[in-house]
Amino acid sequence: KQEVTQIPAALSVPEGENLVLNCSFTDSAIYNLQWFRQDPGKGLTSLLLIQSSQREQTSGRLNASLDKSSGRSTLYIAASQPGDSATYLCAVRDYGQNFVFGPGTRLSVLP
Amino acid sequence: DTAVSQTPKYLVTQMGNDKSIKCEQNLGHDTMYWYKQDSKKFLKIMFSYNNKELIINETVPNRFSPKSPDKAHLNLHINSLELGDSAVYFCASTDHGDMDSMRQFFGPGTRLTVL
Repeated sequence: KQEVTQIPAALSVPEGENLVLNCSFTDSAIYNLQWFRQDPGKGLTSLLLIQSSQREQTSGRLNASLDKSSGRSTLYIAASQPGDSATYLCAVRDYGQNFVFGPGTRLSVLP
Repeated sequence: DTAVSQTPKYLVTQMGNDKSIKCEQNLGHDTMYWYKQDSKKFLKIMFSYNNKELIINETVPNRFSPKSPDKAHLNLHINSLELGDSAVYFCASTDHGDMDSMRQFFGPGTRLTVL
């Protein structure tokens, strides 16, 4: 059974810092991995999707990497801003249509 | 235009009642999902519907039943509501025909409170 964990559970940084969020999964037989952002009281917004054959994806200040063999993904946020404050979740999809989410990392970027 | 919409946004009801949550997507996606996010913020998949066929039912009690009148809608019916059903329920959709993407798009959520 696939299990997804995320470290740290919460993170507080001053504005302008670069930071890394970590996601680990137990079963490397994944179809893709997706990073989401969730603002309080809101739904999830897809940030980046990495197919199992890819190593990384970039969008603006965000870069996500995938090491399928070790069961790890990282989300790198450059030059963090207060508007980046949210909960970040990673989710893996298997070769069926099952998505398993991690518990999330709650990020606070202080002005 | 909202891509994935849910109604109602908030739902407060008594134990034992039957209620429904509606979901609609205007993205032309072929697969829709229901998720439950509990008080600890853990998001767990409940159902997946592809072309009116139930693909996944992750040990969800049979008091919960998805109903899909067409490809753009997946409604969630809940019978005999229990206190433990209180949570935020999210609808999502994906286009599995788009192999390069298959991103999930989420609705804004429905906060269900059972008293």
